[in-house]
Amino acid sequence: QKEVEQDPGPLSVPEGAIVSLNCTYSNSAFQYFMWYRQYSRKGPELLMYTYSSGNKEDGRFTAQVDKSSKYISLFIRDSQPSDSATYLCAMTWNSGNTPLVFGKGTRLSVIA
Amino acid sequence: GAGVSQSPSNKVTEKGKDVELRCDPISGHTALYWYRQSLGQGLEFLIYFQGNSAPDKSGLPSDRFSAERTGGSVSTLTIQRTQQEDSAVYLCASSLAGFNYGYTFGSGTRLTVV
Repeated sequence: QKEVEQDPGPLSVPEGAIVSLNCTYSNSAFQYFMWYRQYSRKGPELLMYTYSSGNKEDGRFTAQVDKSSKYISLFIRDSQPSDSATYLCAMTWNSGNTPLVFGKGTRLSVIA
Repeated sequence: GAGVSQSPSNKVTEKGKDVELRCDPISGHTALYWYRQSLGQGLEFLIYFQGNSAPDKSGLPSDRFSAERTGGSVSTLTIQRTQQEDSAVYLCASSLAGFNYGYTFGSGTRLTVV
């Protein structure tokens, strides 16, 4: 079992839909959780960051962490074609400079 | 520079040749990471540099892979005797010390071994 599991998709939704992306993990020591967005032929860019359990909202994006279930989610409201990208979850156990462990990424297409 | 710069952006090499990939981190970022992204495999950690500390090489897949960072800035990832399974996108990221969630990635080097 990999440390971080993420359904690779692809996921195709109509414009305006609510998108739910998620990851599960096995290492209970993980405390810091991130979502990255990666456009084709570009490097990943940080989208959301959450520490420990709870919710965080930023515009149309909401990140949720449930440490008891070892499950994290990213919700995108009112999805736009410009949201079409690969979304990667990442996590680590230390706020210092320890390498992030990434999921495989979910490819999302938002159709106009 | 404004972002993390990687060169070359694309590299095609023959099996058995050595290649060097370069990463220019954001000025002032003391932490530098190399990851590999293969189709369907996600991002795989390779090596991490932090300031003047010994690098964390725990992710290097074989002794054909090595990396150095000169003067705490530019880093070079070297792959010797390349194999077809080395074909992937090699991504470099940098961050401020103690700012683990602040990775900034470059656009990567797409390596194809033929």
